[in-house]
Amino acid sequence: QVQLVQSGTEVRKPGASVKVSCKASGYTFTSYSISWVRQAPGQGLEWMGRISGYNGDTNYAQRLQGRVTMTTHTSTNTAYMELRSLRSDDTAVYYCARDRGILTGIDNWGQGTLVTVSS
Amino acid sequence: QSVLTQPPSASGTPGQRVTISCSGSSSNIGGNYVFWYQQLPRTAPKLLIYRNNQRPSGVPDRFSGSKSGTSASLAISGLRSDDEADYYCAAWDDRLSGWVFGGGTKLTVL
Repeated sequence: QVQLVQSGTEVRKPGASVKVSCKASGYTFTSYSISWVRQAPGQGLEWMGRISGYNGDTNYAQRLQGRVTMTTHTSTNTAYMELRSLRSDDTAVYYCARDRGILTGIDNWGQGTLVTVSS
Repeated sequence: QSVLTQPPSASGTPGQRVTISCSGSSSNIGGNYVFWYQQLPRTAPKLLIYRNNQRPSGVPDRFSGSKSGTSASLAISGLRSDDEADYYCAAWDDRLSGWVFGGGTKLTVL
């Protein structure tokens, strides 16, 4: 079965960076993209961007352009999301999810990684 | 402010039918498929409906989706206490070149 397993909880100070990993299994990693979605405490879902598992092409949400970088390691079926210049309002649970495109959507989700930004 | 608009809350009693609406525009719902997700407390979202009205295997037929123009809705019939969750709609937005979500609807089973 499809599984996405994310790295653990992170705590960072404002201005620092964080890198979250997402290891995929149960499907051919290079056949689909990985989307990253975050959820601030008590808030809704915010799409951050996605990366192709096939060729590494990325597509970032405009409001995060310049602060976020998504990468993949196809040899280990792992995707990464790095967010820089962290602010307190970046405190959220970060999810990776398999993205099968605009016809089939985001289907399987990781368990989430809590990132807390606090001085 | 979410691109797709959902009511913040909905409620019903066990056995009842409830619907949750999702309103968008021509650049998202109007031209693309709508997806619905269920998020139980302290868990990751789960795909409930894809391509407007299709259910992934394992999702009960009590859940159904529909779309008309730039709006969509999720219907839950035979309401159960374990349906209590947050529900989100989503669609691809051609203008933003990205996925957009509704703000979420908290469903309470009275």
